[in-house]
Amino acid sequence: QVHLQESGPALVKPSETLSVTCTVSGGSINTHQWSWIRQTPEKGLEWIGSINDSGSATYHPSLKSRVTLSVHPSKTQFSLRMTSVTTADTAVYYCARQQLVLTDWGQGILVTVSS
Amino acid sequence: DIQLTQSPSFLSASVGDRVTITCRASQAIGNSLAWYQQKPGRAPKILIYAASSLYIGVPSRFSGSGSGTEFTLTINRLQPEDFATYFCQQVSYYPRTFGPGTKVDI
Repeated sequence: QVHLQESGPALVKPSETLSVTCTVSGGSINTHQWSWIRQTPEKGLEWIGSINDSGSATYHPSLKSRVTLSVHPSKTQFSLRMTSVTTADTAVYYCARQQLVLTDWGQGILVTVSS
Repeated sequence: DIQLTQSPSFLSASVGDRVTITCRASQAIGNSLAWYQQKPGRAPKILIYAASSLYIGVPSRFSGSGSGTEFTLTINRLQPEDFATYFCQQVSYYPRTFGPGTKVDI
């Protein structure tokens, strides 16, 4: 079974860029779609976007101007980059394998936006 | 965006009970609905896809039904490990959206 693990800074300053990487093990990053989801107590689960192994991405319209997803097949990693963050972007960020539904999830990483 | 609502938001139950959770979509989504279970501090876990199909390894006491705009998740003979929060997700349209969750507690 595929295993996913998020990594990145736990603390980001307002107006700066949030970067989280997901490392996939136990399976190929090819022929699948990979998603990012975040969760807060206030807004619940929010789908951020998805990317396939060839780098074609779909984004949540409300985040599209600030988010870039990328995939690195040779490293079996994919990444989330979110610019101009505010305290509202404080959340647990999850990566997941999307086979229409989200079948495999990372454990999540809490990213706090604070000065 | 497709809005999903869930009812109830909180459900108090006992081991052995049968519980039913409802998810309603703001517009028809066919059978493009999934259910997830989440325990505190853990990532969600897929239970049901295509409204009524049980994912691999999920106990048969879980079942899903519905189509269009109304869906249900039923847990028969509630077990101690089933006390968790349950979310629905629509996978018919982008952006994908989730319901607000139903917490099943003792």
